[in-house]
Amino acid sequence: DAKTTQPPSMDCAEGRAANLPCNHSTISGNEYVYWYRQIHSQGPQYIIHGLKNNETNEMASLIITEDRKSSTLILPHATLRDTAVYYCIVRANSKLTFGKGITLSVRP
Amino acid sequence: DAMVIQNPRYQVTQFGKPVTLSCSQTLNHNVMYWYQQKSSQAPKLLFHYYDKDFNNEADTPDNFQSRRPNTSFCFLDIRSPGLGDAAMYLCATSREGPYEQYFGPGTRLTVT
Repeated sequence: DAKTTQPPSMDCAEGRAANLPCNHSTISGNEYVYWYRQIHSQGPQYIIHGLKNNETNEMASLIITEDRKSSTLILPHATLRDTAVYYCIVRANSKLTFGKGITLSVRP
Repeated sequence: DAMVIQNPRYQVTQFGKPVTLSCSQTLNHNVMYWYQQKSSQAPKLLFHYYDKDFNNEADTPDNFQSRRPNTSFCFLDIRSPGLGDAAMYLCATSREGPYEQYFGPGTRLTVT
């Protein structure tokens, strides 16, 4: 699976949009971009995934660049409960390989 | 609600004393996974099952074994726990292929 690069941390104000970047410059054509998050002391939680097109669900939006070398996870209205480690993962099969992720801190 | 259940949530064992962690699912997924997550680290895949087909990661120590008696249940056996095996152990399930994985709450193992 291709490797991903994420900044170690970021913060945003409650109620504002949180834009979490991810670089995956070695992604291949059949690899999906997945986002999970892990709130402290809980199991990881699936957020969203995409292949080429932008995707939106009730939790977030995923914007994938046209060359697919990077993506951005958008939480449109961050709340304090969104404080977590967010993992961007590129995969083509059943296995997940977690990187270090980005720690998002939402401040009041 | 369909879910992934792990028991117990907290387990304390003595150095060298075998311990078994359990996972069950009501999602009827054919793939089940075990991850180890040490403090301040990302989850690391130990092994996974496609139905009854066991797939071990190359760097998973022999001390770790797994059993899957049926679709719903999967067990993680640590034959001789060392202090370095203290961690959160996460079970997950998915359909076969690049589908989302559903994680349980984890079992936190302490080795004394």
